[in-house]
Amino acid sequence: EAGVAQSPRYKIIEKRQSVAFWCNPISGHATLYWYQQILGQGPKLLIQFQNNGVVDDSQLPKDRFSAERLKGVDSTLKIQPAKLEDSAVYLCASSHDKGYNEQFFGPGTRLTVL
Amino acid sequence: AQSVTQLGSHVSVSEGALVLLRCNYSSSVPPYLFWYVQYPNQGLQLLLKYTTGATLVKGINGFEAEFKKSETSFHLTKPSAHMSDAAEYFCAVRGARNQGGKLIFGQGTELSVKP
Repeated sequence: EAGVAQSPRYKIIEKRQSVAFWCNPISGHATLYWYQQILGQGPKLLIQFQNNGVVDDSQLPKDRFSAERLKGVDSTLKIQPAKLEDSAVYLCASSHDKGYNEQFFGPGTRLTVL
Repeated sequence: AQSVTQLGSHVSVSEGALVLLRCNYSSSVPPYLFWYVQYPNQGLQLLLKYTTGATLVKGINGFEAEFKKSETSFHLTKPSAHMSDAAEYFCAVRGARNQGGKLIFGQGTELSVKP
């Protein structure tokens, strides 16, 4: 089966610009996660969707970050405006239930904010 | 609340030597524990997981980990390191049920393997 797809793989922007990342989970997986991985740290959950509903967005900086999963399949994460500290790898993961089984990760999008 | 501490941000071993990566956790509920590996410019791949039952868990690529409740530890081992094992390793604990099952990761341990 196809894995979790993410695009773009790399993105370089200037601070205060906006950027969007796309994720397509494994077919049939109801749960989708966005993680932020800053260099030298472990991934940190930004937002979790169950189908098209938000389960947890407690660590999403809502003044600049937004995410949607309108049809319960693919998802978009947006940052507007970007700050230097947003430089990180953004990982998307999916699982076929509420996450008590394995989460499958995509390759990530590496964002550099100059 | 759940948390994970990985002891040592960088571990270096010789090829053929024992690999030991340390992980201690804190959890207010019976923990589900995971080890993931991340190769450069790739996503995370599950090595092994502990949910319930046998405390010695075997994973892929010859890795195993032992859940020790009394020590709140879940250390990762491999008897003989291979060059291809060089990567970043993350220990994680699953959040409580009312947290939706999110993974809480340690800061990672970079494993280097010397020829």
